[in-house]
Order: sequence, then structure tokens, then C-alpha cells
Amino acid sequence: SQQGEEDPQALSIQEGENATMNCSYKTSINNLQWYRQNSGRGLVHLILIRSNEREKHSGRLRVTLDTSKKSSSLLITASRAADTASYFCATTATGTASKLTFGTGTRLQVTL
Amino acid sequence: DAGVTQSPTHLIKTRGQQVTLRCSPKSGHDTVSWYQQALGQGPQFIFQYYEEEERQRGNFPDRFSGHQFPNYSSELNVNALLLGDSALYLCASSQRGFSVETQYFGPGTRLLVL
Repeated sequence: SQQGEEDPQALSIQEGENATMNCSYKTSINNLQWYRQNSGRGLVHLILIRSNEREKHSGRLRVTLDTSKKSSSLLITASRAADTASYFCATTATGTASKLTFGTGTRLQVTL
Repeated sequence: DAGVTQSPTHLIKTRGQQVTLRCSPKSGHDTVSWYQQALGQGPQFIFQYYEEEERQRGNFPDRFSGHQFPNYSSELNVNALLLGDSALYLCASSQRGFSVETQYFGPGTRLLVL
């Protein structure tokens, strides 16, 4: 079963705008990761945030984690057409080693 | 440095048949996990192999089985295929012993069951 949900399910923005997607999960976690998937192919790892971290940056990506609310957000700044993809959050629950539990994903469309 | 590779890329089978999917992990990785991704859904964990043994298993029936070889490559076998087994099957590799195991995914095998 899915760990939680992502919001929104779909997002359409213009190039240069910022994109924000949210993820909620259900159990205590060790860490949370964000992945990108282009056209139903393999997943590309974007960023990992540990349960004791609140914010992390990588290039144009900013991830926040609120363990009290069991939620995370991914911000992509200055979006590009190449950012068009599906984005998934995945959690590693406490005591489950490296098993990933994925959300339902957000489909991002960036238009010129 | 080769990433995770999977074969075949696409496969068409009929109900009741059996299928074997293959995965070679990223160089230096010793742990392989398999995921099933139905259309429009997030991937779901099937099982994980480390040291040639199944270490964790998701909520999948015994029709789904696997194997890991001494060179860390892995196979996923599905018996008695059902229409609902049609999905993208993803393999991910990681390296045990690290405090956080980032998983690297292959391109997937798309299975269609008719």
C-alpha cells in the first residue's frame, strides 16, 4: 500500500515559475527522499532528508520536513521545460532498513 | 561507472505464463530491491535481496519470487501471470553498511499480460 499522498496530483506552470509539491506520510520515518520519473521510466534520486533535519537544499531544489505533521514539501525554483516529470516522495520507516514506501506522485508540466 | 541495468525493456506474456526479469546493480552495490509500479501509481515494494537471501518482503503473493547471485545481480520471477501483473517492474540497488542507503533505480521492465 502507498505510504501517503502527494498534493497536488497534477501541476502546470510556466517556465521560470516556482513549483511546490507536498507529501504526507503515515508512520515514523528514518528519512524521506524525493525522486523524479520521466515518461514512466526509471526513477532518478533527487534529494534525501533525514528525520532529524528540517530543511535541505540542492541546486534549484529545496526540501522541508515536518515530522510533527508527517509532511514534506519539495520546491523547484526557476523551473525549466526539462523539469516536466512525475515527482514522488518515498519514506524509509523506522525499523525497515532501506525499504522505500512511495507516495502517489505529482505530475508536473512546465510549459514554455 | 555503469548504473543499474535491467532486461528486457519490454515483455508481453499471456495469462498463466511465467516470466523472469533480470537486474544488475550499480558497481559497488550489494543489495537489490524490486518494485512494481502500476500505471498512474507510485512504486510498491516487492522484496529485497542481500547476501543472496530475501531480507524483506512487501505484500505480494508467493507467485512472486526472486534470487540473488554471488555477483549481486538478481532475478524476479512471477508465476501464473494475471492481467493485474501488468506493470513497470523496477529494480533498485544500494550498499548496505552505510548509515543511509540511497537507492539507485534501473530503467525498468514494462510487462504486459494479455
